[in-house]
Formats: sequence, structure tokens, C-alpha cells
Amino acid sequence: NAGVTQTPKFRVLKTGQSMTLLCAQDMNHEYMYWYRQDPGMGLRLIHYSVGEGTTAKGEVPDGYNVSRLKKQNFLLGLESAAPSQTSVYFCASSSTSLAQFFGPGTRLTVL
Amino acid sequence: KQEVTQIPAALSVPEGENLVLNCSFTDSAIYNLQWFRQDPGKGLTSLLLIQSSQREQTSGRLNASLDKSSGRSTLYIAASQPGDSATYLCAVKKENYGGATNKLIFGTGTLLAVQP
Repeated sequence: NAGVTQTPKFRVLKTGQSMTLLCAQDMNHEYMYWYRQDPGMGLRLIHYSVGEGTTAKGEVPDGYNVSRLKKQNFLLGLESAAPSQTSVYFCASSSTSLAQFFGPGTRLTVL
Repeated sequence: KQEVTQIPAALSVPEGENLVLNCSFTDSAIYNLQWFRQDPGKGLTSLLLIQSSQREQTSGRLNASLDKSSGRSTLYIAASQPGDSATYLCAVKKENYGGATNKLIFGTGTLLAVQP
């Protein structure tokens, strides 16, 4: 039982490049989330999903897109990366009102 | 808008000391409150979750309390150890209205250092 996994762990992009972050969970959770963590800002919700095939915007959705084609996977895409998107990205999952479980994070640097 | 504050931002204590971390929130209409631990360069580990109807939760040397009316939660760590050194985050989930989203609002954390 791996819990929540994220790939890749690290990535460096140039401004304007695109990439996709993959999150996978094996707990059969309905809810999945993408957060970013920045110094002094705490964790902020980017997008979330309440079930397969559904997505919704969080606090800071601009510049990101997401897809939930399978219940166990939640993808976060950056179409044209900007330096302001340098951050640590965390995926999480939960079952309805219970605790959220987090992945180990992806450290992204945009030059 | 819900705001979550954690004070102090950093705390250093000698090994063996009992300590309290504080979390305050501005909107008392919460569904639950969760305490997390984050080690440097790592993800978040859930420590305790308190439902809005509960007053406290305990796990080993950790005890979390919740006072919704005053908008406060505390995390008590007994007999602290160097291995407890980490950043501790609290997060609140909004009241569950129709179309519940399960969104968490996080504080910025308290960095704890336990000196051997």
C-alpha cells in the first residue's frame, strides 16, 4: 500500500516550457487535491477533484490545468511555465470528510 | 474569509520539555481541524484530526484540543525528543454545506527544534 505517490520528485524548466505532474493514490479515495507551498504563504489549493471525471478550481488556479480520467490518478499541467510557478507541489487525497493524506511533493524550479 | 494563524513561527526547546503549539482561526464554522507534521524536504504527515463536535484527540505523546467558540486549537507534545523536530501545521476544513469540497485552509506552521 504505497499511499499517495508523485512523479517526478524534482524538475527544472525554462520559462515557456510545459510539463505534467502525476499523482497516484491506491486508497480508493474519491477526493484528490493539488496544493503549492511557498515560503511564508503556507499551502494553497490549486485545483481539486471530488470524483473521477470532475475537477474544480481552488484558491490559485491560474496557469494550471488538471485532469482526473481515472479515479486513482490526478494530473496537474503547466502549459507555459513562469518563474512565479517555482514552488513545491503537493498532491493529497481523502475519503469524504476524513483526513487528507499527502504525497512527498515535487520541487519545481522555473528559470 | 477564513484565516489560520500559528504562533510562534519558530520554537526551540531542550529535550524532555513539554510544549504547546498554538493555532487560531477567524471563522468558527469549521467541520474539522487537522494537525500535520512536515520534515524538511518531505511531504505532510497527518498527526491528529479533531471533528467540530470533539474537544480533543490523543495519540501517544500528542494531544490536540479544539475550542471552536474562541477559534483556537493547541497541540501539546509531552516529553519532547530531538526526533520531534519538524514544522507543525494546522489546517481547518470549512463547514460542510451542499456540494462539500473538503478544502483545507492551512496556517503557515511552527518550526520546532528540540535540542539534545
